[in-house]
Amino acid sequence: GESVGLHLPTLSVQEGDNSIINCAYSNSASDYFIWYKQESGKGPQFIIDIRSNMDKRQGQRVTVLLNKTVKHLSLQIAATQPGDSAVYFCAETPSISSGSARQLTFGSGTQLTVLP
Amino acid sequence: GAVVSQHPSWVICKSGTSVKIECRSLDFQATTMFWYRQFPKQSLMLMATSNEGSKATYEQGVEKDKFLINHASLTLSTLTVTSAHPEDSSFYICSASRPSDNSPLHFGNGTRLTVT
Repeated sequence: GESVGLHLPTLSVQEGDNSIINCAYSNSASDYFIWYKQESGKGPQFIIDIRSNMDKRQGQRVTVLLNKTVKHLSLQIAATQPGDSAVYFCAETPSISSGSARQLTFGSGTQLTVLP
Repeated sequence: GAVVSQHPSWVICKSGTSVKIECRSLDFQATTMFWYRQFPKQSLMLMATSNEGSKATYEQGVEKDKFLINHASLTLSTLTVTSAHPEDSSFYICSASRPSDNSPLHFGNGTRLTVT
């Protein structure tokens, strides 16, 4: 059921600055990680993914860093824009085998607000 | 464009009634779909895994007789909330992945259920 009083962590950044959103995971068996962006009233939208055999992956304006030693994942957004304001979730799964169904475990999420 | 479609996007119903939510994969066949529930300012919680042609697998604490899942075709899974109560009010989201490759899960845009 719902936890009363639970609030998402928040991050406020100035437009044009870089944003760093962090995520800790606990399952050592996880080998595939994804960052999703969720705007209000919408479903999660894929941003970038990374496999456990990598420690960094770059996309357009976004970079994901993976530190398996401390089970930490981060999402860096360069030159943050107002359209980047949303809730960002990390998600993990133990398997990325082709043809297999992948159950995702989501992190708690971070509310990113871009200030003008 | 969207690869997973959910319908309806929002629904209001009275206590005691049942509500059906549809999840469709638009241009691929999904043998497995996932149903999530999300309360305000919280993360997505997996409710069940919907398997085409067989019974759904429910997560611990999710009542299978209350949340009926039917995955009768390779492009459609339905979630029926039976005898809805106000505490069932939530954002329900489905997801699916293309079984032929390692693409990440795609999510529908969610259904906002309000039980009065």
